[in-house]
Amino acid sequence: AQTVTQSQPEMSVQEAETVTLSCTYDTSENNYYLFWYKQPPSRQMILVIRQEAYKQQNATENRFSVNFQKAAKSFSLKISDSQLGDTAMYFCAFMTSWMDSSYKLIFGSGTRLLVRP
Amino acid sequence: DTAVSQTPKYLVTQMGNDKSIKCEQNLGHDTMYWYKQDSKKFLKIMFSYNNKELIINETVPNRFSPKSPDKAHLNLHINSLELGDSAVYFCASSPTGGDDYGYTFGSGTRLTVV
Repeated sequence: AQTVTQSQPEMSVQEAETVTLSCTYDTSENNYYLFWYKQPPSRQMILVIRQEAYKQQNATENRFSVNFQKAAKSFSLKISDSQLGDTAMYFCAFMTSWMDSSYKLIFGSGTRLLVRP
Repeated sequence: DTAVSQTPKYLVTQMGNDKSIKCEQNLGHDTMYWYKQDSKKFLKIMFSYNNKELIINETVPNRFSPKSPDKAHLNLHINSLELGDSAVYFCASSPTGGDDYGYTFGSGTRLTVV
C-alpha cells in the first residue's frame, strides 16, 4: 500500500526567508504523481505544485519549487521569500497514474507552517 | 463560477439524525470523490465515482451512502449520525487523463454532531 509521510508537524519561518517542507512516500508503482496542497484557515484545499514521476526536472511555480528524488522517494517543497499569506497547513499527496480509473489521492499528515512577521 | 461547490458549508445536528451534503462540479470531470478530514487534519478518501459508477469504497460504514445522479453531482447521505462523524467533508473532482490531472476540491462542509 502506498503511504505518505510528513515528519515535520510544525515549522516556523521568518517573513522573506526560505523554508523547506519534507515529504517521503512509499510505493511500488513506477508511474505516479505527487502534489503539495495548501490549506489556509479558510480550509479551502489549494493546489500549490505538482510533479509527474516520469519527469526528472523539478517542478517550479513562482516562489514554490520541489526537490524530487525518485530513487529516495522524497518530494520536498521549498518556499522562497516567505510571505505572511503562506501561513497554512501543507499536505503532501501521492496519486497513482491517471490511466487507472481509481485515482486515489493519498495524503500525508500535514505540516503546519507559520510565517512570522 | 465555482468549480466544485458543496452545500451546506456548516451543518450542526443531533446524534441519530439523518443528513445530506450536496456536491456539484461544472468542470466536466468524469470522477468525483468524498474525503473526510478528521480533527487532527488527516484527510482520507471515502468514495470515488467515475461516470456515476462507484469505483472506491474505503470501508466506510454503511450509514454513509453516496449517490451520483449524473457525473456532475455526487451527494453524501449519512444516516443515524454519531459523534465520531464530526469532521470536515470535502468533495472533489478530477478529469480522466490528459494533461490536466489532479483534484479540484470544494470548500468543505464542517459537520458537527452534538
